[in-house]
Amino acid sequence: EPEVTQTPSHQVTQMGQEVILRCVPISNHLYFYWYRQILGQKVEFLVSFYNNEISEKSEIFDDQFSVERPDGSNFTLKIRSTKLEDSAMYFCASSERPQGIGETQYFGPGTRLLVL
Amino acid sequence: LAKTTQPISMDSYEGQEVNITCSHNNIATNDYITWYQQFPSQGPRFIIQGYKTKVTNEVASLFIPADRKSSTLSLPRVSLSDTAVYYCLVGEGDMRFGAGTRLTVKP
Repeated sequence: EPEVTQTPSHQVTQMGQEVILRCVPISNHLYFYWYRQILGQKVEFLVSFYNNEISEKSEIFDDQFSVERPDGSNFTLKIRSTKLEDSAMYFCASSERPQGIGETQYFGPGTRLLVL
Repeated sequence: LAKTTQPISMDSYEGQEVNITCSHNNIATNDYITWYQQFPSQGPRFIIQGYKTKVTNEVASLFIPADRKSSTLSLPRVSLSDTAVYYCLVGEGDMRFGAGTRLTVKP
């Protein structure tokens, strides 16, 4: 069964550093998403992406965040200057069609980011 | 997006049937109801989706009454490995997860 993959599985960084989290969505999917989950808390939507554009973003997704699909397979989340509160598990997801009628999102295993 | 309300936690024993109910009073006409499962340190995983009446797959059943203001996820004969958080989501567009229901299955 095809699956979403994410790298790295864990990343430790110093506050103020830039990090790039990478995702390879399922190959025939066109809609891509990033979520984060702070330890012990709920899954929070960050951003959705389609046709090389951001479709929607949450209030969490401020100017420190950016997303990119640099080639035909990767989908990246960049945090420009990490803060302690960015420490979380970051999940990438993809879907063939927009979330809605008869559609589901497939999630990757996540990247655990720790900002020191 | 319709707001959903679920119990924060539930306990069960192996072999029992577990029913988790989600309230979504403001569900819109076009909204589907989707349930996800999340194990610790893993991404959410799709379980089942429905619009009305009953849907069944190899993992679970989903019961939706005629007014669609609630839905019940039914897990038959749970095992220890079903211990997870279960999320009910309603609507289209980007998914906004609630706190979910933490199910603990005991031996």
